[in-house]
Amino acid sequence: AQSVTQLGSHVSVSEGALVLLRCNYSSSVPPYLFWYVQYPNQGLQLLLKYTTGATLVKGINGFEAEFKKSETSFHLTKPSAHMSDAAEYFCAVSVYSGNTPLVFGKGTRLSVIA
Amino acid sequence: KAGVTQTPRYLIKTRGQQVTLSCSPISGHRSVSWYQQTPGQGLQFLFEYFSETQRNKGNFPGRFSGRQFSNSRSEMNVSTLELGDSALYLCASSLGPGQGAHEQYFGPGTRLTVT
Repeated sequence: AQSVTQLGSHVSVSEGALVLLRCNYSSSVPPYLFWYVQYPNQGLQLLLKYTTGATLVKGINGFEAEFKKSETSFHLTKPSAHMSDAAEYFCAVSVYSGNTPLVFGKGTRLSVIA
Repeated sequence: KAGVTQTPRYLIKTRGQQVTLSCSPISGHRSVSWYQQTPGQGLQFLFEYFSETQRNKGNFPGRFSGRQFSNSRSEMNVSTLELGDSALYLCASSLGPGQGAHEQYFGPGTRLTVT
């Protein structure tokens, strides 16, 4: 079975500072990894995904994440935070079995301070 | 291309009642999954449907059920509502098994409040 741990339920950064949201996963087979963002009163929007190939994945809104198999991590980063980045971020894992649902972490709420 | 739509967006029900939520997937997507989101439990998988068949089911009581129609639209039903069923119910669509089933696109959710 797969699982996801997001370190830090709340992260606060200053506008223009580096954003780092941590995600560690557990999977007995090669995983597919995702980051989703959720704004208040909205559904989840896919930020980026790792399936196979390049381990550094670029997503929308300037976010990127690096798959590190040795560390079982998939941390999300953005060089410079913007006020509009304030939201809840979810890391999720799946595997290519064709019959495995997404397993989500508990989420990290990002606050951006002016 | 229109995104995933969910109706209604908000619902208030009383304990013991039942409720039906609807989800229309992205055109061409044949798989629909449902999730429950609460502050305490986070995002939990309810079930997944493909070609009108339930392919996967999460760990929820039998009061939670769903179905999918031939046009891929899906409904979920919760009977005998309990206070703990208050949550945001999210629907996600994907192409289908072996076709990026893991890449799911979410609707805005239905906010259910049980009083």
